Amino acid sequence: QVQLQESGPGLVKPSETLSLTCTVSGASISDYYWSWIRQPPGKGLEWIAFVYDSGRTNYYNGSANYNPSLQSRVTMSTDTSKNQFSLKLTSVTAADTAVYYCARHQGLTAFDIWGQGTVVTVSS
Amino acid sequence: QSALTQPASVSGSPGQSITISCTGTSSDVGGYNYVSWYQQHPGKAPKLLIYDVSNRPSGVSNRFSGSKSGNTASLTISGLQAADEADYYCSSYTSSSTLDVLFGGGTKLTVL
Repeated sequence: QVQLQESGPGLVKPSETLSLTCTVSGASISDYYWSWIRQPPGKGLEWIAFVYDSGRTNYYNGSANYNPSLQSRVTMSTDTSKNQFSLKLTSVTAADTAVYYCARHQGLTAFDIWGQGTVVTVSS
Repeated sequence: QSALTQPASVSGSPGQSITISCTGTSSDVGGYNYVSWYQQHPGKAPKLLIYDVSNRPSGVSNRFSGSKSGNTASLTISGLQAADEADYYCSSYTSSSTLDVLFGGGTKLTVL
């Protein structure tokens, strides 16, 4: 049974960096694409970024791909030794307050397994 | 990039069928068969219902079905049940920039 678990601070100060980690169990992160998705309070879903572990012969080999609206502030990476992937979002503002989900891709752009979500509040 | 367009709300009575639309452009919904649908109950993570326009993951009820015509995709729920009351989101691959994913704004389904 594949499970994803987000972890990280629940409170981040404005202008600082939001850092989250997703720990995967029951599947190898080397075998799939993985994404971060967020949902501001009372609003819809927003895809943030996806990553595909290096070592695969693929156009996106070893690289991450980001939502253009967040691209300048987002970094996503993997740690295969820990079977984890991470998100860093710099220069956060109140608009970055949201539930952050990590998710596994099924095929190109469907998300079949989701973490439970972690609430991140940006406030001083 | 604009989100895909969904109705804010739909409603139906138990046993009825309802359809939720998801309208995009030729750069996303209309151009590729990579439309997905998700169900989200309050306080829960989304659940994948349909992928690649009309495919159901294992374990998803066959009361849920997906289709597409032109730039509009649709999710149909038949035999409506009280447990179907939730928010529903569509998503699609988009080629408008680098490879990424667009979501719809979400539709609140009320079972009367």
